[in-house]
Amino acid sequence: GENVEQHPSTLSVQEGDSAVIKCTYSDSASNYFPWYKQELGKGPQLIIDIRSNVGEKKDQRIAVTLNKTAKHFSLHITETQPEDSAVYFCAAAGGSSYKLIFGSGTRLLVRP
Amino acid sequence: KAGVTQTPRYLIKTRGQQVTLSCSPISGHRSVSWYQQTPGQGLQFLFEYFSETQRNKGNFPGRFSGRQFSNSRSEMNVSTLELGDSALYLCASSLGDGGSYGYTFGSGTRLTVV
Repeated sequence: GENVEQHPSTLSVQEGDSAVIKCTYSDSASNYFPWYKQELGKGPQLIIDIRSNVGEKKDQRIAVTLNKTAKHFSLHITETQPEDSAVYFCAAAGGSSYKLIFGSGTRLLVRP
Repeated sequence: KAGVTQTPRYLIKTRGQQVTLSCSPISGHRSVSWYQQTPGQGLQFLFEYFSETQRNKGNFPGRFSGRQFSNSRSEMNVSTLELGDSALYLCASSLGDGGSYGYTFGSGTRLTVV
């Protein structure tokens, strides 16, 4: 069935270093891949997304890459800051399913 | 502009009771989705509504139901509550197909069943 695998489950980096989170999806019909940041007590907040007709997208310190052939997509955060500490979720949607399939989440800790 | 509003923020219910949660989408958004978030199962899709019609439903028992009103506000209902229904229930709104327009989430309703 539809599935999104996300790794790693936890990630600890030093402030200023880069962080990379990877996801793999199973449904070939998926064409929309958002990344969400969730802070304690809040709902998921969209930080960046990419569609299947694009291989890479960047927004300041955040970038996402997509490899449709391998069904992989990744989140890259450069120059990490303590306020980047949160749980990050990848997701996939498409094929007129009208739903997001989420990965299991990555808890990112940025050490000052 | 106002975001997605979910009420109430917190609820405590007893096993066997029923509960109704409310979601007001962003103005102009016609699609509302519901998700259940638990530490063990992560974020799971419940159902999605567009213009008062349910377009998709997740793998949850019939105790979980929802509806959407003509003003796009949505409610979800859980009957005969079980301890395992304790979770954060999240609502997301979209202009139409979320795969085309993206989804915006509310802050959720934290339901505790005792």
